[in-house]
Amino acid sequence: DSGVTQTPKHLITATGQRVTLRCSPRSGDLSVYWYQQSLDQGLQFLIQYYNGEERAKGNILERFSAQQFPDLHSELNLSSLELGDSALYFCASSVKGAGNEKLFFGSGTQLSVL
Amino acid sequence: GQQVMQIPQYQHVQEGEDFTTYCNSSTTLSNIQWYKQRPGGHPVFLIQLVKSGEVKKQKRLTFQFGEAKKNSSLHITATQTTDVGTYFCAGEKTSYDKVIFGPGTSLSVIP
Repeated sequence: DSGVTQTPKHLITATGQRVTLRCSPRSGDLSVYWYQQSLDQGLQFLIQYYNGEERAKGNILERFSAQQFPDLHSELNLSSLELGDSALYFCASSVKGAGNEKLFFGSGTQLSVL
Repeated sequence: GQQVMQIPQYQHVQEGEDFTTYCNSSTTLSNIQWYKQRPGGHPVFLIQLVKSGEVKKQKRLTFQFGEAKKNSSLHITATQTTDVGTYFCAGEKTSYDKVIFGPGTSLSVIP
């Protein structure tokens, strides 16, 4: 158990809908990262937050948004969903958000867009 | 932009054979990390390399960081079925840059 909690584990929805994925980092970790993993694909970096502020941005679509709340949990909002958004979404956390820290990954949210 | 590449994409080995995956970056990295993802699981941190030319060992796993800090390798000696999974390298240009993962090498071990 990495200590990073992601909910829900599975999500099935239809095209055009909006969903929210939730992540609670490990106790004491201030930074949260979101990654997308499609079938047979690597881990695509979406966005990173540190102590409530956006720190780095990857290839995150405009239809996607995220935030980190004062209690340090984070939410990833995906809207106007398309079939191609079906993927495994991972959240990871680290203490300070510095690149020389190891990332602890949650178990992921499997999103299926039908 | 920064790219991290890995080869091979897939590797099938007989149990007991050795395995190596290579990671190459288009830019110099401040450090490189390796993660393992078992089938159906999530990535788990294995190790971090920081110094040019650094070599680290974990039992049957040997990790190297190139002299130019642009490439790395993971070598597994005498693979076992427990080694099955996808191995990712991850790097960044500076300590506060985003961590970019390579596409991974999926290892299958035939008993």
